[in-house]
Amino acid sequence: GDSVTQMEGPVTLSEEACLTINCTYTATGYPSLFWYVQYPGEGLQLLLKATKADDKGSNKGFEATYRKETTSFHLEKGSVQVSDSAVYFCALSETSGSRLTFGEGTQLTVNP
Amino acid sequence: DTGVSQDPRHKITKRGQNVTFRCDPISEHNRLYWYRQTLGQGPEFLTYFQNEAQLEKSRLLSDRFSAERPKGSFSTLEIQRTEQGDSAMYLCASSNRGRLEKLFFGSGTQLSVL
Repeated sequence: GDSVTQMEGPVTLSEEACLTINCTYTATGYPSLFWYVQYPGEGLQLLLKATKADDKGSNKGFEATYRKETTSFHLEKGSVQVSDSAVYFCALSETSGSRLTFGEGTQLTVNP
Repeated sequence: DTGVSQDPRHKITKRGQNVTFRCDPISEHNRLYWYRQTLGQGPEFLTYFQNEAQLEKSRLLSDRFSAERPKGSFSTLEIQRTEQGDSAMYLCASSNRGRLEKLFFGSGTQLSVL
């Protein structure tokens, strides 16, 4: 079945540091890929998405590129802020689109 | 647009009791999803509705679990004879016409089974 694997966390960075959170996936078809973010006390929010190979999703300074050859969708940001502290989830949806399969999440803490 | 609302936010119950959670989706959304999230894990799909029809159920949804969406608006998730392993955050989400890029999640109901 489909699965998503994220880098083991938690991740602690200083403000303005570079961020990479690794995500790899296993899927039988051609999935759409997503990054969701969960801020403390809030619901999951879509951060960015990519629907086909080589697409780059971006939002709020975060980027991720759909790499079919390495089955990866790594999340990157050049300069993190304290307000980026949250849990980040990588997810996929098969082309039928009825459900999301999530990774285990990565806790990011950014210190001033 | 008030977002997806879930009630209650927290529920503590004793093993063997029945519990029911409610989800109010965004009003024009015809799809409603239930997920379960345990500590340190990502959400796991349970079931989803299109309008009032329950179209898919995960194998995670044992026969102690039942979900309804009687008029295609709000939904309820009932767990009968709760077990300690049912302790988790239960998340509801809604979307319009199955557009997962426009999926909105509620803040969840945290269930603790003692």
